[in-house]
Amino acid sequence: DTEVTQTPKHLVMGMTNKKSLKCEQHMGHRAMYWYKQKAKKPPELMFVYSYEKLSINESVPSRFSPECPNSSLLNLHLHALQPEDSALYLCASSQGWGVTGELFFGEGSRLTVL
Amino acid sequence: GEDVEQSLFLSVREGDSSVINCTYTDSSSTYLYWYKQEPGAGLQLLTYIFSNMDMKQDQRLTVLLNKKDKHLSLRIADTQTGDSAIYFCAERREYGNKLVFGAGTILRVKS
Repeated sequence: DTEVTQTPKHLVMGMTNKKSLKCEQHMGHRAMYWYKQKAKKPPELMFVYSYEKLSINESVPSRFSPECPNSSLLNLHLHALQPEDSALYLCASSQGWGVTGELFFGEGSRLTVL
Repeated sequence: GEDVEQSLFLSVREGDSSVINCTYTDSSSTYLYWYKQEPGAGLQLLTYIFSNMDMKQDQRLTVLLNKKDKHLSLRIADTQTGDSAIYFCAERREYGNKLVFGAGTILRVKS
């Protein structure tokens, strides 16, 4: 199994809603990542978890709250988002943070904030 | 500057070779990568090269690295319509151990 699975594939939410994006991998990877990708732009790193601990937060607003309940799961909790937060949110995993850095990406969750 | 730079668009005929270029910024970057993204999909790692190498070949793909000029290229031989996608180069910067992506090159293959 070399897959990173993200759910939901599409999400529409209002600015007062609370929702979550989920990511799962069963490759035994110990580093997991959230990236944000706007249309026609490259992915931008948001968070890195290494061994279930938050290693990097790229100054992401607190309306995005990551959670790593175990080594296979990564969540991104969303609350009070703005329309400009609409984007493709990509989850990735790698064997370890700082190894070859080969990242396996999921298909992404496309978020629309109304 | 801070950015990893790529040309935005490349159009080739089926069967021709494609060459996608990238200029990165951090001379201490240890690994450089090429990712492919098809419409509506995530990123797929195509190949990567370690900074002490100057060339890597993997079937139809050839990566060339000029470390002095911080220039990376991806050559796709015998380009097929299925190669149409956005191609991102990325560098793994030593500081912060982060993967930083270029803006992406849209490859269009005409049959």
